[in-house]
Amino acid sequence: DAGVTQSPTHLIKTRGQQVTLRCSPKSGHDTVSWYQQALGQGPQFIFQYYEEEERQRGNFPDRFSGHQYPNYSSELNVNALLLGDSALYLCASSLVLFTDTQYFGPGTRLTVL
Amino acid sequence: AQTVTQSQPEMSVQEAETVTLSCTYDTSESDYYLFWYKQPPSRQMILVIRQEAYKQQNATENRFSVNFQKAAKSFSLKISDSQLGDAAMYFCAYRSFSGNTPLVFGKGTRLSVIA
Repeated sequence: DAGVTQSPTHLIKTRGQQVTLRCSPKSGHDTVSWYQQALGQGPQFIFQYYEEEERQRGNFPDRFSGHQYPNYSSELNVNALLLGDSALYLCASSLVLFTDTQYFGPGTRLTVL
Repeated sequence: AQTVTQSQPEMSVQEAETVTLSCTYDTSESDYYLFWYKQPPSRQMILVIRQEAYKQQNATENRFSVNFQKAAKSFSLKISDSQLGDAAMYFCAYRSFSGNTPLVFGKGTRLSVIA
């Protein structure tokens, strides 16, 4: 049973650049949520995708956007990168929005220089 | 808005001993879920245990058990017979029972296991 996968593992960008992170949900799951985990902090919710639409959004600026494909995989895009965007980005999948337990991927470590 | 507080930034335990990690939360809701997630150095957040607030019985998963005190809004995790592989960051998380709401995490507790 394939778990949640994310790519790339690590990424280094410079301020002002744009980045795309990718996530494939656990087999059988249809909902993908993205979280940002700053160093020494717990994860914070960015947004959730279900049926290819953004369903919920946390307190993040419009520079953060996403997409979900028909195969349920998802992308997180961040434009105009800031130093403060350096963090571990976690993808979590579940079945039917948040009603089910969320399972997390290994994350993508983004460093903005 | 719900908040989750983990007051112990770091804890340590001797191998084979028992340790308890604390978590308190603030909510006005009566039905909700509580979780403990483990995040080892590999970074993957792994579900340890889950508790439904409407269940009075404390959840147990092998060496892991919780002490859920609903009135006190307390949800502690007990790890028995600690093993070296238990060393990790542990996060307590809250989710509303109804509606479409995300997990709310605490700041975590770093657990070290001493051989």
